[in-house]
Amino acid sequence: DTGVSQDPRHKITKRGQNVTFRCDPISEHNRLYWYRQTLGQGPEFLTYFQNEAQLEKSRLLSDRFSAERPKGSFSTLEIQRTEQGDSAMYLCASSLVGAGNSPLHFGNGTRLTVT
Amino acid sequence: AQKVTQAQTEISVVEKEDVTLDCVYETRDTTYYLFWYKQPPSGELVFLIRRNSFDEQNEISGRYSWNFQKSTSSFNFTITASQVVDSAVYFCALGRSKNRDDKIIFGKGTRLHILP
Repeated sequence: DTGVSQDPRHKITKRGQNVTFRCDPISEHNRLYWYRQTLGQGPEFLTYFQNEAQLEKSRLLSDRFSAERPKGSFSTLEIQRTEQGDSAMYLCASSLVGAGNSPLHFGNGTRLTVT
Repeated sequence: AQKVTQAQTEISVVEKEDVTLDCVYETRDTTYYLFWYKQPPSGELVFLIRRNSFDEQNEISGRYSWNFQKSTSSFNFTITASQVVDSAVYFCALGRSKNRDDKIIFGKGTRLHILP
């Protein structure tokens, strides 16, 4: 069990650029979640997958955000035309079956800074 | 609507003191789960405990203990004989049990400083 890994750890980009983050969940986990955390706040749910199916998207996820999990393993989160308000820590988590009855295991996150 | 409130934004105690972190939740579900996570300065969220809404037994794990009271919708966390390594942000969270809508809702966290 190597844990949830996220890449990159840090990303600095200029406003208007596109960015893509990657998450590799724990291998046997079928659920994968994306959360966003800003300074002084708890993580906020963005979206989640069961295998390759995206089951829910938060209203926080504007149309500039898109997430994929094409083979039910790793996932990518892309932000197009980044804005300064997108600056945050993007957290990935995985679990087995459902997070409602199993704990989420989080990665170290990707810290995005939009200048 | 579901909501988790952690009224204590920041707490400082001297090492070896006991400290309790408060958590109050709101839900209309009859079946739900409560969690505590720790976020040390390194940033990674570490799972501490999960509690089913049907199980109101208090739990103790080493220096950590949790008090779940359904009557007051509270799930408080106590650290006994605190240590500097306990310094972190602690999050209380609420999860639903329905299969297709079980995202976890987090509180805003309590930042705990343990002073040497």
